[in-house]
Amino acid sequence: SQTIHQWPATLVQPVGSPLSLECTVEGTSNPNLYWYRQAAGRGLQLLFYSVGIGQISSEVPQNLSASRPQDRQFILSSKKLLLSDSGFYLCAYGTSVRTQYFGPGTRLTVL
Amino acid sequence: SQQGEEDPQALSIQEGENATMNCSYKTSINNLQWYRQNSGRGLVHLILIRSNEREKHSGRLRVTLDTSKKSSSLLITASRAADTASYFCATDGDTGGFKTIFGAGTRLFVKA
Repeated sequence: SQTIHQWPATLVQPVGSPLSLECTVEGTSNPNLYWYRQAAGRGLQLLFYSVGIGQISSEVPQNLSASRPQDRQFILSSKKLLLSDSGFYLCAYGTSVRTQYFGPGTRLTVL
Repeated sequence: SQQGEEDPQALSIQEGENATMNCSYKTSINNLQWYRQNSGRGLVHLILIRSNEREKHSGRLRVTLDTSKKSSSLLITASRAADTASYFCATDGDTGGFKTIFGAGTRLFVKA
């Protein structure tokens, strides 16, 4: 069966510090991978998506970046966090172009 | 601009009542999906309806789609306290199929 892992679950970081969030998928090959951010009580904002290794599409220009070093690994990074980077970050995969399956999320607080 | 927008933003009902949530979108679609999110958790896919379908059922869920009005509704019958969650509609829109655009969601609270 397919599963998606995301860590850490919660993270508190000071402004200006780096960020690395990791997402891995098991049980499927060549999935489409997605990073979303969700502000409190709001919908999802698509940040990045990837249709293959090394292929990253950015939806929102900002100080975040994404990488896909392996088929089932998706990493969200920042060199210097801003207060506005606080939020709930969700990784998702899609084995078809339609349905997406989400990880448990990472609650990031930038102080 | 946001593709899917849910209405109402929040809904509070008694256990046993039906809950209806609506979604409107702006561009043509190939399919529309509904997801559920419990507080502080990831989203869970509930149901997908294709653009050539008008109604779909899954357990206590009923989804309708009206492409002429660019709208969809999600009906939860005989609601339970465990149905308390946020519900999002999502469409593929004019994205080539790789992206799913989510609405802002309806927050449903079912009182026991």
